Amino acid sequence: EAGVAQSPRYKIIEKRQSVAFWCNPISGHATLYWYQQILGQGPKLLIQFQNNGVVDDSQLPKDRFSAERLKGVDSTLKIQPAKLEDSAVYLCASSLGQGGYNEQFFGPGTRLTVL
Amino acid sequence: AQSVTQLDSQVPVFEEAPVELRCNYSSSVSVYLFWYVQYPNQGLQLLLKYLSGSTLVKGINGFEAEFNKSQTSFHLRKPSVHISDTAEYFCAVTPLNKLIFGAGTRLAVHP
Repeated sequence: EAGVAQSPRYKIIEKRQSVAFWCNPISGHATLYWYQQILGQGPKLLIQFQNNGVVDDSQLPKDRFSAERLKGVDSTLKIQPAKLEDSAVYLCASSLGQGGYNEQFFGPGTRLTVL
Repeated sequence: AQSVTQLDSQVPVFEEAPVELRCNYSSSVSVYLFWYVQYPNQGLQLLLKYLSGSTLVKGINGFEAEFNKSQTSFHLRKPSVHISDTAEYFCAVTPLNKLIFGAGTRLAVHP
């Protein structure tokens, strides 16, 4: 079974530029998550999708971050414009359902460096 | 508000020694509890989880954890560690279907 795929693995940009990350979840997983992991911290949930609908985006900085999952399968996360403090690893995860008992499967992440 | 505290940011240990990584949580509602491991430049992998039932949970790679409701703890243990166990370990809880992580504990196993 293929795992969660993410691309690119690494990205370096200058502040005020824009960047996009892509995630393809495990086939059949209805729930998709984007996390931000700043160095030395645990992952923090940015947004959660159930199929193509947003379940929770309470911690997404909506003035610069956006995410979509138009067909209920793969997803993109965009930052525009990027700030220095956005330097982090962005993790995508998926699960069969949104119940808290469901195991979340994580992709390898995209390491973003903002200069 | 719910939170997770991992009491040690780094734990150095010699190979074949036992190890305990500590985790405490606070929550006003019932929670599910998880331990994840993150190897360098990789995503997180589930080690074990507590949903209900027996408070002693066994996971992969010889790890186990014990849920203590009165002390709101979920400490991770392994009786004998290997060099390959060197990684970052995260405790997490899910109140209300939202995974909340601790800051992580870096386990460094030395020969």
